[in-house]
Amino acid sequence: ETGVTQTPRHLVMGMTNKKSLKCEQHLGHNAMYWYKQSAKKPLELMFVYNFKEQTENNSVPSRFSPECPNSSHLFLHLHTLQPEDSALYLCASSQDLGDLNEKLFFGSGTQLSVL
Amino acid sequence: GENVEQHPSTLSVQEGDSAVIKCTYSDSASNYFPWYKQELGKGPQLIIDIRSNVGEKKDQRIAVTLNKTAKHFSLHITETQPEDSAVYFCAASLNFQKLVFGTGTRLLVSP
Repeated sequence: ETGVTQTPRHLVMGMTNKKSLKCEQHLGHNAMYWYKQSAKKPLELMFVYNFKEQTENNSVPSRFSPECPNSSHLFLHLHTLQPEDSALYLCASSQDLGDLNEKLFFGSGTQLSVL
Repeated sequence: GENVEQHPSTLSVQEGDSAVIKCTYSDSASNYFPWYKQELGKGPQLIIDIRSNVGEKKDQRIAVTLNKTAKHFSLHITETQPEDSAVYFCAASLNFQKLVFGTGTRLLVSP
């Protein structure tokens, strides 16, 4: 186990549904990330939070809404998604940002299917 | 911005053979180059990384080499085993900010 837990592991939703992805890290890290992994594409950084503050929004559509209530928990709220949003959504954490000794720890992801 | 290209997209080897995966990057300022291994149903896991002030780094059967002049770096796996079968991703960044990943290499090690 990496110390980063994501739920649910699989999610199927219609385009009009609202759902949330949850991530929890037990590593005492201060930075948390959402990545999108689509087939045959590089991992795409979506959002970065450091000490609960959003430091990066990589031009993500507003139908994805992140929430970071504390340094251990990260949510991704989903509404009115499109079929092309179907992908594996990965959460990651690191001790801090921008330090040369940083390492990313990933969760196992939520496989999302939008019908 | 940074762009990372990774080759090959798939690689099949026999158990015991060596495997080499290559990546090129575009931003000469990048100074951090990690490699991640992703097994089926799991998230990527860091297996080795290298900083721009080092040309080579080894950890048991895996090694990474970096050529800053040519802007490419490679992952070398020796004495491959079936459990090495996975998707491997390279990445590059400046001071760990905004890691840019390659498209991945699916390695299959046949017994």
